[in-house]
Amino acid sequence: EVHLVESGGGLVQPGGSLRLSCAASGFTFSSYWMTWVRQAPGKGLEWVANIKQDGSEKYYVDSVKGRFTISRDNAKNSMYLQMNSLRGEDTAVYYCAKGGWYFDYWGQGTLVTVSS
Amino acid sequence: DIQMTQSPSSLSASVGDRVTITCRASQSISSYLNWYLQKPGRAPKLLIYAASNLQSGVPSRFSGSGSGTDFTLTISSLQPEDFATYFCQQTYSAPRTFGQGTKVEI
Repeated sequence: EVHLVESGGGLVQPGGSLRLSCAASGFTFSSYWMTWVRQAPGKGLEWVANIKQDGSEKYYVDSVKGRFTISRDNAKNSMYLQMNSLRGEDTAVYYCAKGGWYFDYWGQGTLVTVSS
Repeated sequence: DIQMTQSPSSLSASVGDRVTITCRASQSISSYLNWYLQKPGRAPKLLIYAASNLQSGVPSRFSGSGSGTDFTLTISSLQPEDFATYFCQQTYSAPRTFGQGTKVEI
């Protein structure tokens, strides 16, 4: 059974940093694109970034370019999102999702709150 | 970026009703269109991928159609558990934008 478990969320001050992790199991992690999607409180879904199977291609939404870095470790079946220079508008539940063209499995999400 | 516009933003329907939600892309996206359902406090769930393909395990009352810029999600006979918000998403190009959502109230 496929499982995706996010961790690393929490309260951080504006300008601070956080590193989110996504632990995957139940499928051949190294064979799939992986994606981060976020949802601000009471708002819709926003695609954040994705990463190719071998990490050679990465794409970001404009609002996080230069601040967020997506990465993966196939040996550990894990994906990461390093978030720097955080802003209030980054406050959201962050989901990891399996896939690059459609997302057939999602984690439960981890809440990131950016506030002083 | 490709903009995705859903309509309506919300709707009220009764059990057994046929419900249709539309999604329009700001440019052609071929069939790179997915539909998700999300219930409060839960992660989204994939319903339809590539415009018309039913995800494994999803009831057959859900169906999708369209290509190019105009797409439709249809629920043939609404069930109580279908109360949720529905999102379309294009995966033709990055960023893989979502529609704003359609809230279905029973």
